[in-house]
Amino acid sequence: AQRVTQPEKLLSVFKGAPVELKCNYSYSGSPELFWYVQYSRQRLQLLLRHISRESIKGFTADLNKGETSFHLKKPFAQEEDSAMYYCALIGNTGNQFYFGTGTSLTVIP
Amino acid sequence: EPEVTQTPSHQVTQMGQEVILRCVPISNHLYFYWYRQILGQKVEFLVSFYNNEISEKSEIFDDQFSVERPDGSNFTLKIRSTKLEDSAMYFCASSVAVGFTTGMKNEQFFGPGTRLTVL
Repeated sequence: AQRVTQPEKLLSVFKGAPVELKCNYSYSGSPELFWYVQYSRQRLQLLLRHISRESIKGFTADLNKGETSFHLKKPFAQEEDSAMYYCALIGNTGNQFYFGTGTSLTVIP
Repeated sequence: EPEVTQTPSHQVTQMGQEVILRCVPISNHLYFYWYRQILGQKVEFLVSFYNNEISEKSEIFDDQFSVERPDGSNFTLKIRSTKLEDSAMYFCASSVAVGFTTGMKNEQFFGPGTRLTVL
């Protein structure tokens, strides 16, 4: 069965420190992996997706099929990065997202 | 930049009442979705809609739920007889197309959500 696991509900880092938000997935086919972000009082919005292999707002994420992981990383956290981050996958047989439970990131000034 | 809109932002209803949650997807999008998020839990898929019919639905989407595109712009979720456990944030989303042939799934754009409280 498909599943997305984000082990950390809350994560706090100091400004300028590296940050890594963990995401592991379970899916038997070839999923597409995404990171969505929700800033305070705003809607869910796409941060990045593995297939485009781009860096958005300094964040990167590499799909590791061997470890079935898609961790989100940023070398130097900024205060404006404080938000809720959701890892999600879409399977190859449908168009529905499977979301993780989310990680609330707080960047301490 | 076009956005998905949802009304109302907050709906309070009595158990057993019918509610209709409304969404206006982005105008040139073809696929529409409803998700829900119970407080403290993950965002869960309910249903997807394409070409005026349901294309996928989850186990949560039982006979109490229905969706409709009554006109060219609105996409609604109806809960026929609300239960306490229906209290949640309901998100609408839309996307252009599912690109099976291109091998790339399209980004889904989410609305701000409707908070449904069932008393």
